[in-house]
Amino acid sequence: AQSVAQPEDQVNVAEGNPLTVKCTYSVSGNPYLFWYVQYPNRGLQFLLKYITGDNLVKGSYGFEAEFNKSQTSFHLKKPSALVSDSALYFCAVRDIPAYNTDKLIFGTGTRLQVFP
Amino acid sequence: KAGVTQTPRYLIKTRGQQVTLSCSPISGHRSVSWYQQTPGQGLQFLFEYFSETQRNKGNFPGRFSGRQFSNSRSEMNVSTLELGDSALYLCASSLESTGANVLTFGAGSRLTVL
Repeated sequence: AQSVAQPEDQVNVAEGNPLTVKCTYSVSGNPYLFWYVQYPNRGLQFLLKYITGDNLVKGSYGFEAEFNKSQTSFHLKKPSALVSDSALYFCAVRDIPAYNTDKLIFGTGTRLQVFP
Repeated sequence: KAGVTQTPRYLIKTRGQQVTLSCSPISGHRSVSWYQQTPGQGLQFLFEYFSETQRNKGNFPGRFSGRQFSNSRSEMNVSTLELGDSALYLCASSLESTGANVLTFGAGSRLTVL
């Protein structure tokens, strides 16, 4: 079964410093991977996805993620954190992409706190 | 372009009642899926609809049901509410279920069961 793991419940970083939010995956076949962000009392907003191609994926708001097949990881990164980046971040994998489905399997989420 | 609209945004029910939540997808989107978000279980898939047909269903009891109309709008219903049904219910839409499509989520309907 497809699954993703986010090993950190919370990540704290000072504004201006680089940030990393970790995600590892377990899939059969090629993974379709996604990152979403959730602000308080809001739905999820799409940040970026990896389907195929370049291992470094660039997304919204200056975020990027690196797909690493050998380490089965898809860590989210940003070179310089902003206080406004503070939110809940979810990694997700598409369930069995061999057939058409929108079903996503989400990780448990990582709360990012950026301190001034 | 209007986003995914969910109504109501907040509602309070008591145990044993039933509730219906509505989702209007982005214009032109034909796929709608629903997720339940709770602090304990995180984000869990409920069901997925495409062209009025349920394509996929999550591991939830039969009290949870849904449907999609010809205009792609979707509703989900929970009957005989339990305290554990208190959650944020999120709807998402996409153009079609190709696996690589991005889901656009609504702001959610927060259900509190007393």
